[in-house]
Amino acid sequence: ETGVTQTPRHLVMGMTNKKSLKCEQHLGHNAMYWYKQSAKKPLELMFVYNFKEQTENNSVPSRFSPECPNSSHLFLHLHTLQPEDSALYLCASSQESNEQFFGPGTRLTVL
Amino acid sequence: QKEVEQNSGPLSVPEGAIASLNCTYSDRVSQSFFWYRQYSGKSPELIMSIYSNGDKEDGRFTAQLNKASQYVSLLIRDSQPSDSATYLCAVKPGNTPLVFGKGTRLSVIA
Repeated sequence: ETGVTQTPRHLVMGMTNKKSLKCEQHLGHNAMYWYKQSAKKPLELMFVYNFKEQTENNSVPSRFSPECPNSSHLFLHLHTLQPEDSALYLCASSQESNEQFFGPGTRLTVL
Repeated sequence: QKEVEQNSGPLSVPEGAIASLNCTYSDRVSQSFFWYRQYSGKSPELIMSIYSNGDKEDGRFTAQLNKASQYVSLLIRDSQPSDSATYLCAVKPGNTPLVFGKGTRLSVIA
């Protein structure tokens, strides 16, 4: 256990659905991250939050919408996704921009 | 653009041998370096961090850093089949988030 939890662990959704991924960290960190990892591909950084403020958005399509209500919680709202969005979505946290600790991930399948 | 380069592998080593994983980085001001292990279908797990030139040992793992050559490596002694995974090198360039390499897939053959 790294102190970072993610729910749900698995999600299957249709292209017209709206769903949300949740991440919570119990480490007292001040930075949180969303990554996408497609099959046999490297990590892709999607969003970065420092002290609840979004500091990076790496050209992510608007069908992905992050929300960070406080420094311990991070959400990724999903709507009208495409099959190519099927991937492992990983949340991580860190103190400042030091070493990151990852949650177990949400395996997303878009039908 | 800040880059971290790793050979994608697969790197195959026999059980009991030393596995050597290498990583180069482009940003000279980088100060912190990390190795993560990722099993198939799982999330990355931090296994080593190194901040100064030289070697750092932790059990069967040794991280080596050479800032002049912009090179960091991970040695795994007495490799076991359970070490078979993808190893990700990560570099902290200044105050920006970590930059990850694409990972090297290691296969330890029993």
